[in-house]
Amino acid sequence: KQEVTQIPAALSVPEGENLVLNCSFTDSAIYNLQWFRQDPGKGLTSLLLIQSSQREQTSGRLNASLDKSSGRSTLYIAASQPGDSATYLCAVIGGSQGNLIFGKGTKLSVKP
Amino acid sequence: DAGVIQSPRHEVTEMGQEVTLRCKPISGHNSLFWYRQTMMRGLELLIYFNNNVPIDDSGMPEDRFSAKMPNASFSTLKIQPSEPRDSAVYFCASSLAAGRFETQYFGPGTRLLVL
Repeated sequence: KQEVTQIPAALSVPEGENLVLNCSFTDSAIYNLQWFRQDPGKGLTSLLLIQSSQREQTSGRLNASLDKSSGRSTLYIAASQPGDSATYLCAVIGGSQGNLIFGKGTKLSVKP
Repeated sequence: DAGVIQSPRHEVTEMGQEVTLRCKPISGHNSLFWYRQTMMRGLELLIYFNNNVPIDDSGMPEDRFSAKMPNASFSTLKIQPSEPRDSAVYFCASSLAAGRFETQYFGPGTRLLVL
């Protein structure tokens, strides 16, 4: 059974710092991996989707990498801002129909 | 586009009562997913539909839970009877098509509290 783990559970950094969020999964036979952002009391917003054949995806200050063989993904946030404060969730696509299996998230706090 | 719409946004009910959660997917999307989020278990897929047909309901916790999608623009998740352990945030998501290349768009969630 696929399991997704995110470490750390919480992270606090000063504004301007570059940071890395980690995601690991137990079964490397994934179709793709997706990073989401969740703000308090809100739904999830998709940030990046990496297909299994890709190594990384970039969007603005965000860069996500995928190493399928080792079961790992990282989300790199450059020059962090207080507006980046949120919970970041990693999810893998477990089946061809697109059903997502989520980690429990990393709660990020960026201090001004 | 208004995005995925869920109602109600908050629901407080007493144990044993029936609860119905509603979802309107993004227009033109053919796949719809119901998720539940709790502190202990995180986000879990309950059931998903493709072209209004339930594809996989293996995540539905027990017979007290049922979901329907009578047409392409509406889905319900019903809990009958409700129990305190059902308290969670329930999310609905939709995607253009079923498949691993499609991004899922999430609604704001329904926060359910069963007393």
